[in-house]
Amino acid sequence: SQQGEEDPQALSIQEGENATMNCSYKTSINNLQWYRQNSGRGLVHLILIRSNEREKHSGRLRVTLDTSKKSSSLLITASRAADTASYFCATSRSRYNQGGKLIFGQGTELSVKP
Amino acid sequence: NAGVTQTPKFQVLKTGQSMTLQCAQDMNHEYMSWYRQDPGMGLRLIHYSVGAGITDQGEVPNGYNVSRSTTEDFPLRLLSAAPSQTSVYFCASSSTGTGVRQPQHFGDGTRLSIL
Repeated sequence: SQQGEEDPQALSIQEGENATMNCSYKTSINNLQWYRQNSGRGLVHLILIRSNEREKHSGRLRVTLDTSKKSSSLLITASRAADTASYFCATSRSRYNQGGKLIFGQGTELSVKP
Repeated sequence: NAGVTQTPKFQVLKTGQSMTLQCAQDMNHEYMSWYRQDPGMGLRLIHYSVGAGITDQGEVPNGYNVSRSTTEDFPLRLLSAAPSQTSVYFCASSSTGTGVRQPQHFGDGTRLSIL
C-alpha cells in the first residue's frame, strides 16, 4: 500500500505565486525525499530531508518535516511556468539502504500559468 | 552523461506474450529498482537489487522476473503479459554513499500497452 498521501492532488497558480504541497505518511521513516516529474519523463530528485531535520532549503525550494504529525510540506517560492510538473514525496524507512525501497505518494500536479 | 537508460520507450504486446524491459546505468550504482506508475497510484516498487547477483521483491512483484548479472544492467521480464500490466515502467539506481540513502536516478520510462 502507498505510504504517502499528497495534498492537494492538483494545484493551479499564477507565475510569481508560491506553491505549497503537503505529504502525509503512515509509519516511522529515516528520511523523506521530494521528486519532480515533467510530462513524459522520469522523476528527478529535488531534496532529501532526514528524520532528525525539521527544515531544509535548496534554491527556491523549502521543505519542512514534522515527524510528530508524520507530515512534510514542499514550498516553491516565486513559481515559474517551468515549475509545471508533478511532485512526489517518497519515504525511506531504512538507514542502511535496503535496495532502494522508497515508497512514493500519489503526487501533486502543479500547473503554473504565465 | 547517459545516467539510467531504458529501452524500449514504447511497446505494445498481446496478452500472453513475453518480453524484457532493459535498464542500464553507467554510474556504478549498487542499487537498482523497477517501479510501475499507474494513474492515481503514484509509483509502486516491483523488484529491486542491492548488487550483482542479489534481487528481492517489492510491493507488486507478481508476473515479473528480474536478474542482476552485472552492476550495470537490471532487466525486467514479463512472463505472460496481461492487460493489468499496462503501465509506465521506470528503472532507478542509487549509490550507498556514506551508508545513508542516496537519491535515486530515474530513466525516462517504458510505456507498455497490453492488448
